[in-house]
Amino acid sequence: EDKVVQSPLSLVVHEGDTVTLNCSYEVTNFRSLLWYKQEKKAPTFLFMLTSSGIEKKSGRLSSILDKKELFSILNITATQTGDSAIYLCAVTYGNKLVFGAGTILRVKS
Amino acid sequence: KAGVTQTPRYLIKTRGQQVTLSCSPISGHRSVSWYQQTPGQGLQFLFEYFSETQRNKGNFPGRFSGRQFSNSRSEMNVSTLELGDSALYLCASSNPGTDTQYFGPGTRLTVL
Repeated sequence: EDKVVQSPLSLVVHEGDTVTLNCSYEVTNFRSLLWYKQEKKAPTFLFMLTSSGIEKKSGRLSSILDKKELFSILNITATQTGDSAIYLCAVTYGNKLVFGAGTILRVKS
Repeated sequence: KAGVTQTPRYLIKTRGQQVTLSCSPISGHRSVSWYQQTPGQGLQFLFEYFSETQRNKGNFPGRFSGRQFSNSRSEMNVSTLELGDSALYLCASSNPGTDTQYFGPGTRLTVL
């Protein structure tokens, strides 16, 4: 069965720290991996990755995919309290997204 | 462009009742997917509609159903509600040919 595993499940850091969130997957016919940030309600889209080794970057956030080892990481540098959220990793399977359980990040001031 | 909208935002029902949730996709998006989010199970896929046709269905009982209209708006219905149906129901829309799905704010359903 298709599976997406995220680690750690939760994380508490201080403002200014750098964090690395992990996502591993077992999906047949992989097409893409997506990262979302969920604060209150709607998950908001961060990145979509389809090719190995190509880093996607947006401000202090970056992400990379390794299709050989079947994982992705999401890095957040110089964390701020506004980064506190659940970070969700999802893999495309057909016309649906298969989600991991998420990583709960709390940034303390 | 306006984002995905969902109505109602909050709903309280009792066991045995039925409920209908509505989703309006981003203008121009023709694919609409529904997900259920609970603390124990996370985000789970319910079904996906494109051009008024259900293309994919998740592993949920037949009490969960949906439809899509010609303007791409979608509704999902849950009949004979159970306590375990209490969840955040999220709708997402996307363009054909792209995997990125954009989520609405969700409907928080509480079953008493």
